[in-house]
Amino acid sequence: EIVLTQSPGTLSLSPGERATLSCRASQSVNSIYLAWYQQKPGQALRLLIYGVSSRATGIPDRFSGSGSGTDFTLTISRLEPEDFAVYYCQQYGSPPLTFGGGTRVEIK
Amino acid sequence: EVQLVESGGGLVEPGGSLRLSCAASGFSISSYSMNWVRQAPGKGLEWVSYMSSSSSSSSSTIYYADSVKGRFTISRDNAKNSLYLQMNSLRAEDTAVYYCARDFVVRGTSWYFDLWGRGTLVSVSS
Repeated sequence: EIVLTQSPGTLSLSPGERATLSCRASQSVNSIYLAWYQQKPGQALRLLIYGVSSRATGIPDRFSGSGSGTDFTLTISRLEPEDFAVYYCQQYGSPPLTFGGGTRVEIK
Repeated sequence: EVQLVESGGGLVEPGGSLRLSCAASGFSISSYSMNWVRQAPGKGLEWVSYMSSSSSSSSSTIYYADSVKGRFTISRDNAKNSLYLQMNSLRAEDTAVYYCARDFVVRGTSWYFDLWGRGTLVSVSS
């Protein structure tokens, strides 16, 4: 099973700042099977990125994904008030699919 | 509106059973692979079970996480447009919010999920 470690656990930033979230895999993720999700309290999870860098429908272009092998990054170029949430990475290249422990982006 | 709504959670004693439901609206559940994913309190996400899309000519493929294999059963009622998770022999470590999630690809499997419900809480305690 591939273990995904997300860092930092919490990111304290101000609106307008750039957020860089890391997701490190315990072994190389098969091809490009890495996704990112956003979770807000009381709301359904939202798919942001799939295939490492493809934005899901309706996701603004301030969200971008990159990386390969064992190191992946979600970047939010300029934080909007609605972006403060918890973010999870997910690998689906090797069964079972697994999720990271999450990074909370909070208002500084 | 396209959405998933889970129900059936609650408090159950260790060793007990519970059946979760996931009602889909705005799309046909038979056309998509569906999954259950859970989240223990204050923890991350854990995939639980998968059922492939179904057709009249073939049965669905089903997978379970090792942690629930032999205790949980996933099923679907296309007429009711609903997904189910029968949970038996429940343990304290099964305590979590359970989400149903739709696969991104129609009549296929991508293993990432573009539609989630808001979840239903299962608490296993004496």
